[in-house]
Amino acid sequence: DGGITQSPKYLFRKEGQNVTLSCEQNLNHDAMYWYRQDPGQGLRLIYYSQIVNDFQKGDIAEGYSVSREKKESFPLTVTSAQKNPTAFYLCASSPQIGTGQSTEAFFGQGTRLTVV
Amino acid sequence: QKEVEQNSGPLSVPEGAIASLNCTYSDRGSQSFFWYRQYSGKSPELIMSIYSNGDKEDGRFTAQLNKASQYVSLLIRDSQPSDSATYLCAVVVSGGYNKLIFGAGTRLAVHP
Repeated sequence: DGGITQSPKYLFRKEGQNVTLSCEQNLNHDAMYWYRQDPGQGLRLIYYSQIVNDFQKGDIAEGYSVSREKKESFPLTVTSAQKNPTAFYLCASSPQIGTGQSTEAFFGQGTRLTVV
Repeated sequence: QKEVEQNSGPLSVPEGAIASLNCTYSDRGSQSFFWYRQYSGKSPELIMSIYSNGDKEDGRFTAQLNKASQYVSLLIRDSQPSDSATYLCAVVVSGGYNKLIFGAGTRLAVHP
């Protein structure tokens, strides 16, 4: 089955803890993204990566970190520096991030993070 | 000015009517545009992509792009209650590194 797998589906974090959200894809896509969605809001870009071993900050990168050591994997760490981490986190991938064809992005099922 | 703007709605249409969803974007260099549908509690699913000026039709959906006006729209013909969802407009914003940016979404409610 080809697709994007996010785990876990639900995650609870205590204040002051770092947690890592997993995102794996077997679509052979070069580009991967992390978005955050708050209730009733759109998607805000946290980090994105166009190629292995390279990634860029999005609009709300503070308090988050990522790595892209393998093409198929793009884990997101929510650090204790993120003051309000409770949200729905979405990972996506696309063949590339370009201007034209082959840039359609597809999403995983998401991870709901709650701070307790 | 936000990079991608949508009316948050809700847009309410009767079953069988045409629903019209609109999106404007700020980057004149953008070349790739997408519409996603998101049901409550679920992840977005891609329903249309458009790269050239004009109309693109797929079943009951038509995407329209006008780069001169920096405007992209989605028409849903013969709207069904199952079309009730939030529709997200997304644009690849050009720059040193291209990035995929989403609007806040328009909530559509189709009533019987």
